[in-house]
Parts: sequence; structure tokens; C-alpha cells
Amino acid sequence: EAGVAQSPRYKIIEKRQSVAFWCNPISGHATLYWYQQILGQGPKLLIQFQNNGVVDDSQLPKDRFSAERLKGVDSTLKIQPAKLEDSAVYLCATIGVGSTDTQYFGPGTRLTVL
Amino acid sequence: GQSLEQPSEVTAVEGAIVQINCTYQTSGFYGLSWYQQHDGGAPTFLSYNALDGLEETGRFSSFLSRSDSYGYLLLQELQMKDSASYFCAGSTYGQNFVFGPGTRLSVLP
Repeated sequence: EAGVAQSPRYKIIEKRQSVAFWCNPISGHATLYWYQQILGQGPKLLIQFQNNGVVDDSQLPKDRFSAERLKGVDSTLKIQPAKLEDSAVYLCATIGVGSTDTQYFGPGTRLTVL
Repeated sequence: GQSLEQPSEVTAVEGAIVQINCTYQTSGFYGLSWYQQHDGGAPTFLSYNALDGLEETGRFSSFLSRSDSYGYLLLQELQMKDSASYFCAGSTYGQNFVFGPGTRLSVLP
């Protein structure tokens, strides 16, 4: 089966600009996560979706970050305006129905904010 | 909330056995997962424990002790390609995952 797809793979922007990331999950995977991974650290959960509903967004900086999964399939994560400290890899991961443990990660989007 | 602790670095030689420990503090803990991440790559799933005891998958094994809030990943017959970062991740009943800071494993020839 096809894996989790993400685009773009790399993005360089100036601070205060906006940026959007896209994730296409494995077909049938209902649970979708966005993580932020700063160099040398573990992934940090930003938001968790179950189908098109938000399960947990407690660590999402809502003044600048937003995410949606309108039809319960593809998801987008947006940052507006970006700050220098947003430079990181943004990872999308999904879990299949009936599974409790195995997350499948996409290749990530490496964001550099100058 | 949850927090997990791991050693930052571990070094071993090819063919050896290495153990990476993970201690956790969490509310609503459900299970402990392990992921491998090569530089520039995405995390890939290695193992999962929801019950106490040892889970074996090829050269990799994972252990969990709920009473001690402790787990470990055991890598046997180390190969150069095992050089990577290894993350433990605690999960809750709501499938919410918190990752540890990661352990960087260097395998020497």
C-alpha cells in the first residue's frame, strides 16, 4: 500500500510570511497526527484528528497555527505568521482503524524560517 | 501529562548487544512504542508493549514494566545500519502519543 505523502519536502520563508503543508494519509487511516520535530529533539504532537474531528490540539499554538481535515482524508497545516523558532521538520503520521500502536510517518516537510 | 526520559547517546561495536532505557511519568498510560529514525528520514515503527514483559521482533526486543514505569529496547547483533536515533513514545487510551527526547546510537566497526 502507498505510504503517507507530504508536500512540499522543503520550504524556506522569511519570518512573518505564511506557509502551508499538505498530508495525504494511507487509505482508510482514520487517525491523523501533525508533529513538529526540532533538530535534535523528539517529535512533539501539534494536533490529532479522528476522521475530520479534532481529538487533541492542546499543544497547537493557535495564535499562528491552524490545521484542518475537512473530508476526513487529506489534511493541511498552516502557519501565519511564521517565526524563527518555527524552523523544524513537520511530520504527518497516521494510524489504521483497529490499530492502537503503529504510526506510519510521512517523509516530513523541512521548514526554514529566515 | 506525560514525560519520558532516555539517555542522549549510546555507542557500541558491530555484533554487540545494546540496551536503550526509557522511563516515563504519565497519566492515562496505555502503552510504550519504539521508533527508529535515521538522519534526514522519518521515524519508523519498531515495537510496542501494552503489557508487561518482553516482545521480540527479529534482532529487536522491547520490554515494559508498568510497576516501574520503565521500558527498554534491546538491539542484538548490531549492524552499522543500526546507527540512528531511537525514540520511545508513550501512548494514552486516546491514542495520544508523547515522544521521548531520543537516544542517538552509534555503531562502530
